[in-house]
Amino acid sequence: DVKVTQSSRYLVKRTGEKVFLECVQDMDHENMFWYRQDPGLGLRLIYFSYDVKMKEKGDIPEGYSVSREKKERFSLILESASTNQTSMYLCASGLGSGSTDTQYFGPGTRLTVL
Amino acid sequence: AQSVSQHNHHVILSEAASLELGCNYSYGGTVNLFWYVQYPGQHLQLLLKYFSGDPLVKGIKGFEAEFIKSKFSFNLRKPSVQWSDTAEYFCAALAGNAGNMLTFGGGTRLMVKP
Repeated sequence: DVKVTQSSRYLVKRTGEKVFLECVQDMDHENMFWYRQDPGLGLRLIYFSYDVKMKEKGDIPEGYSVSREKKERFSLILESASTNQTSMYLCASGLGSGSTDTQYFGPGTRLTVL
Repeated sequence: AQSVSQHNHHVILSEAASLELGCNYSYGGTVNLFWYVQYPGQHLQLLLKYFSGDPLVKGIKGFEAEFIKSKFSFNLRKPSVQWSDTAEYFCAALAGNAGNMLTFGGGTRLMVKP
């Protein structure tokens, strides 16, 4: 079974803090993704990576950055957290075969910014 | 840009009732379609997917979905729901020109009354 893990299930941070969310997958997937999930808005893609050190902006990249130094690990960084970044953050990974790709999701990190 | 619409945000059914959740997408070219489910407190997981071939797709737990190209729809159905189907359901689309970027609908929260 594919396993995608995220470093924290719940996180509380203060406005202006730098926040790191970590994601690790154990299936040698090429693609990794960061989404945020908000009620009524579904999942919105923040960034994705298709290879080590490669990244692409998703639909809502503003206020976020990412890092992929190793194939199995994809980090989401909030340089200066703001209250409107309070959300559920989901990491996913996929094989990278393009149109046949299925994404496998981690358990999510619920981030609250005070 | 492609978009995915789920018109029902909340659905409440009694056990044994039939279920149909609507999903419409906006992209006119080749598209792959997915339904994901998130049970309370659990990961987002794949319910079923359509890539090509038979437009009636069968997934896990008795769910099925029908791809109707002329209507740009991929509605999810189950003939008789159970209390354990209480969850949030997300439709997603992967357009042929979008690389590996899935677009999600806003989600439908289903509650099944025992």
